[in-house]
Amino acid sequence: DAGVIQSPRHEVTEMGQEVTLRCKPISGHDYLFWYRQTMMRGLELLIYFNNNVPIDDSGMPEDRFSAKMPNASFSTLKIQPSEPRDSAVYFCASSFGTRELFFGEGSRLTVL
Amino acid sequence: AQRVTQPEKLLSVFKGAPVELKCNYSYSGSPELFWYVQYSRQRLQLLLRHISRESIKGFTADLNKGETSFHLKKPFAQEEDSAMYYCALSGRGGGADGLTFGKGTHLIIQP
Repeated sequence: DAGVIQSPRHEVTEMGQEVTLRCKPISGHDYLFWYRQTMMRGLELLIYFNNNVPIDDSGMPEDRFSAKMPNASFSTLKIQPSEPRDSAVYFCASSFGTRELFFGEGSRLTVL
Repeated sequence: AQRVTQPEKLLSVFKGAPVELKCNYSYSGSPELFWYVQYSRQRLQLLLRHISRESIKGFTADLNKGETSFHLKKPFAQEEDSAMYYCALSGRGGGADGLTFGKGTHLIIQP
């Protein structure tokens, strides 16, 4: 298995544009997590899914952020409209039950 | 609310010297604690978890409930230990509710 796959690896966009980040979890994993990493706040949990169902989205900063998991092998994190303060590295991670989290390489977002 | 504090953003030690990365947590129940590591240009990965009580790459960490700490230790640092280290807490079994991470400590091992 190639591990958790995220795309794009880097994204540069202008304020107001829509951004979509994608994640393919490890096959067979039933949990999927989205984290955001910034210098100021470190790693923050945004939302997580269990069996494709969103369980806790209390970490989503505001309504501009949305996440979906239409099936067990794909999830998206969308920001619309994007703002400069959204610039960060966004990580996707998956796990099987209560075992360790496996992280993707991250998507570095820069909003100008 | 659960919280993880890593007081040192940067820690620099010489090769062969002992290393201790500090981690304190705040949680009202019985947490599960982890250390994750991110080597340069690699993914964040699990280093060790307190319930395993094992030593990985020479690192150990003991959960001290009285002091609410989970410090990471290694008696003799090696250059390949240079990395970002994150302490993390789970309120329910291993991350099923998502881990709460500290802000990380950048460990630099000088030759």
